[in-house]
Amino acid sequence: EVQLVESGGGLVQPGGSLRLSCAASGFTFSSYWMSWVRQAPGKGLEWVANMKQDGSEKYYVDSVKGRFTISRDNAKNSLYLQMNSLRAEDTAVYYCARESDDSSGYNFDYWGQGSLVTVSS
Amino acid sequence: QSALTQPRSVSGSPGQSVTISCTETGSDVGGHNYVSWYQQHPGKAPKLIIYDVSKWPSGVPDRFSGSKSGNTASLTISGLQGEDEADYYCCSYAGIKTFYVFGSGTKVTVL
Repeated sequence: EVQLVESGGGLVQPGGSLRLSCAASGFTFSSYWMSWVRQAPGKGLEWVANMKQDGSEKYYVDSVKGRFTISRDNAKNSLYLQMNSLRAEDTAVYYCARESDDSSGYNFDYWGQGSLVTVSS
Repeated sequence: QSALTQPRSVSGSPGQSVTISCTETGSDVGGHNYVSWYQQHPGKAPKLIIYDVSKWPSGVPDRFSGSKSGNTASLTISGLQGEDEADYYCCSYAGIKTFYVFGSGTKVTVL
């Protein structure tokens, strides 16, 4: 059974940092692109960042470029999101999501339960 | 910059059909079939229900169907059931670097 479990969320002051983790199991983690998707309270979904299987490519939504860094450790079956210079507008539930394999196009076939990040003084 | 517009809400009685539209504006819009749909119940993670415009992941009932015409993709829920009451999001591949754009979301209410 595919499982994605996020951790590391919490309350942080504006300008602070936080690191989210996503522990993956039930599939060959190193074979999939992985993404972070966020959802502000009462709002819609927003793709944040993704990373290629071997870590050689990574992409970000414009609003987090230069502040967030996605990384992965295939030996530990884990995905990370280092968030620096946090702003109030980064407050959201952050989901770890697996991107489907090459034969199924571009979509997210499995999601974690989410980790809440609150940026407030 | 690509953007996806969905109606804020749709509603229907049990057994009826409802259709949610997802209209793309911006570059590289109608040129591919990488549109997916997600169902999200309150407090839960999104769930993939349609991918590549009209394909079903394993376990998703065929009451959910997808289509696309030009720049507008659509999700139809046939034989509406109480458990279908949820938020629905479309998502489109927006090209390398930008990657994914989500629609604004549609709340489906079962009357």
